[in-house]
Formats: sequence, structure tokens, C-alpha cells
Amino acid sequence: SQTIHQWPATLVQPVGSPLSLECTVEGTSNPNLYWYRQAAGRGLQLLFYSVGIGQISSEVPQNLSASRPQDRQFILSSKKLLLSDSGFYLCAWGVNYGYTFGSGTRLTVV
Amino acid sequence: AQSVTQPDIHITVSEGASLELRCNYSYGATPYLFWYVQSPGQGLQLLLKYFSGDTLVQGIKGFEAEFKRSQSSFNLRKPSVHWSDAAEYFCAVGANFGNEKLTFGTGTRLTIIP
Repeated sequence: SQTIHQWPATLVQPVGSPLSLECTVEGTSNPNLYWYRQAAGRGLQLLFYSVGIGQISSEVPQNLSASRPQDRQFILSSKKLLLSDSGFYLCAWGVNYGYTFGSGTRLTVV
Repeated sequence: AQSVTQPDIHITVSEGASLELRCNYSYGATPYLFWYVQSPGQGLQLLLKYFSGDTLVQGIKGFEAEFKRSQSSFNLRKPSVHWSDAAEYFCAVGANFGNEKLTFGTGTRLTIIP
């Protein structure tokens, strides 16, 4: 069966520090992968999606970046975090629009 | 570009009462429509989806939704809610081609009272 792993579950980082969130998928190959952010009291905002290794599309201009070094690995990064980067980050993979979400990372930038 | 509106930020219903959560979408063609549920601090779980065909869609946990093209709506219903249904519910729309991106609404938080 397909599973998706996302870590860490919670993270507190100072402003200006770097960020790396990792997401891996098991049990499927060549999935479409997505990073969403959920800010407090708001819906989900699509940040990046990838249809294959090294293929990244950005939806929202920001100081975040994403990479897909392997078929089933999707990484969200930042060189310098801003306060506004705080939120709940969700990784998802999708086949035929059936999204499976990870359990999320709660990021607090202080 | 597609968009989704969930007009109700928070709804409170009594356990055993019926439920309807509203969702309106904007999309130039026939959309793909979804409802997801999110428990606190967790990821999202798919409740049901509509691609084509019968406009009344059955999902998990006793939920159903009806696609009404004339009203651009895809409302979620349940005849009798349980305390375990307390969660946040998200409606989403996807284009019927391409990279399967979903656009989510802002969500409706459901509280169940005894």
C-alpha cells in the first residue's frame, strides 16, 4: 500500500535560519507531489508541485524553494526564514486526483 | 483560474442532527470536485469526489455531496452527525486535465454539541 512520510512533525526556528522539510512516498512510482501551506484560519495554499524528478513548478513567489532529487522524495527549503513562513506544511501525492496527505509539519518562526 | 468559496467559517450542530456544508466553485468547464476532512493537527483525508456521471456522490463515513451545475455548488451532507465528525472540512476543485492541481476553499470548522 502507498504511504507518505513527512517530518519533522513540529519545528520552531528563528527568523533568518534555514529550513528543510522532507517528504517521502512509498508504494508508488512517479507520483505527482505537492507542497501545501495552511496558515492559521486560512485554507490550503499550493506552494509547489512536481510531476517528475527535477521538475518543480512554483505557484506562489516567496522565499521558499522545492526540490525533487529522487522519484519519491520531495523537499521544501528556505535559506532564510521569515515570520510569515509560519504555518502548517502538508506534503501530498496524487494519482487521478486522489490525494494522499502526510501528517504535516507545524512550523513556527520566532 | 478556478476558485472555491466556503461561505461558512464555523458551524455548530447537535449530535444526531443533519448537516449541510456549502461549497461554491468557479471554473470555466466541468470541474472535478472534492471534499476533504482534517482532524486537528493532522493531514487531510478524502471524503468523496465527483468527476462525472451521477450528480449525487456517496463517500466514506456516511457523507454525500450533490453537484449542481446551475448553482455552481457541491454541498456536503450527512443525515445524522456523530461527535467524531467534529473536524475541519475542505472543498476543492481541480481542472479536468493536466497536472491534477487542486484549489482548496478556506474550510468550514464543524463543532458537534451533545
